[in-house]
Parts: sequence; C-alpha cells; structure tokens
Amino acid sequence: QKEVEQNSGPLSVPEGAIASLNCTYSDRGSQSFFWYRQYSGKSPELIMFIYSNGDKEDGRFTAQLNKASQYVSLLIRDSQPSDSATYLCAVRGADGLTFGKGTHLIIQP
Amino acid sequence: GAVVSQHPSWVICKSGTSVKIECRSLDFQATTMFWYRQFPKQSLMLMATSNEGSKATYEQGVEKDKFLINHASLTLSTLTVTSAHPEDSSFYICSARLLGGEYEQYFGPGTRLTVT
Repeated sequence: QKEVEQNSGPLSVPEGAIASLNCTYSDRGSQSFFWYRQYSGKSPELIMFIYSNGDKEDGRFTAQLNKASQYVSLLIRDSQPSDSATYLCAVRGADGLTFGKGTHLIIQP
Repeated sequence: GAVVSQHPSWVICKSGTSVKIECRSLDFQATTMFWYRQFPKQSLMLMATSNEGSKATYEQGVEKDKFLINHASLTLSTLTVTSAHPEDSSFYICSARLLGGEYEQYFGPGTRLTVT
C-alpha cells in the first residue's frame, strides 16, 4: 500500500522566517512529487513539482527531493501570514497521485 | 493556463433529491478527472477516477449507484449525487490531470453541498 506521510501540525513559524515542510513516501518507484497549498474552505492549488534529486526553486519556494531517503520537502523563505494554509504533498506512482493528509502551517505576525 | 471550473459553487437541496455537479477543464484536455470529498477539517478523500469515454473507477466504500459519474468529453465530467441525505453534505472537489504532463492535477474551486 502506497503511503505518503506528513506531520499534521500545526507548524507555527514567525513571519519572515523559513518554513520547512516535510513529506516521506513508501513507494520507491515514485516518479514525481508535488506540493499543493489549500486555504481553509478552498480547493488545493498546485505550487510546484519536482522529479529530480536535489533542489528546485520557484520564487520564495524551494522543493527538495532525496529519492534514496524517500523524502521530499518544501521550504518557504521570508514567510508571510498569507502563507498560512495546509500544505499537501502528493506523489506520483503508476496509478496516479497519492496525497498526504497535509501539514497545517501558521505564520505568526 | 490549466484552469478547472466547477458548477455550481454551492447548492442546497432537500433530502431525497438529486444534485448534479459539473467539472470542466477550460484550457486543456483531460482524459482523466478525479472526484474528491472533503469534510470540515479533514483531508481530501478520493471518491472516484473518471476516464473519458469509459466507466469511472470508484474507491472502496463509495457507492457507485449513489454517486453517478459521467465523463463524456475531454473537458467535462459530471458527478450526480442521487437521493441525497444530510450525511452527503460536504465539499466536493474535482481535479483534472494534464494530458502529456507529469501527472499533475489541477483542482476546480469545489462545490459545497448542503442537504436539508
């Protein structure tokens, strides 16, 4: 059974600091990895995806992938209160995407 | 790009009636669409995978006769909640897989269903 694990939080980070969100996955054959953001009462929106080991940067967001450790993370630099949301990690396997349950991030002003 | 719409955004219906929710990919073709349900403060729950031109694949525990899914074109999938009950009240979200992409899914804005 494919699993995607995230700490549910809440993860509280002061404004301006770096927020680090982590995700582990069980299927070693997973090919691509996605981060979604979901505000309360809204649907998820895709932030970025990564499929190669290492870092991928997009603005204030950096995704990090370590396939050997089956670990993917999302860093948010210069955190803003508007970044407060639930962040979902999703992993692509043969059947499609498997989502984690999400980490609730709170950016404290 | 990669915009998915849902209609209606919210609906209130009486117990025993049926409600149809539409999911459209506006600027891309989607051979595969997904239907999720989310209760307050809970995680996404995949209900079914909808493939254009074929029968939907339902997740375990989801009644296929109650949640009818039709995916008649590359840009439209519909979910019909039949004989709705108050326990069906939830946030229903569709997503569409980008054809030729990395399997990324783009979500519609969701439909909030309240059954009275």
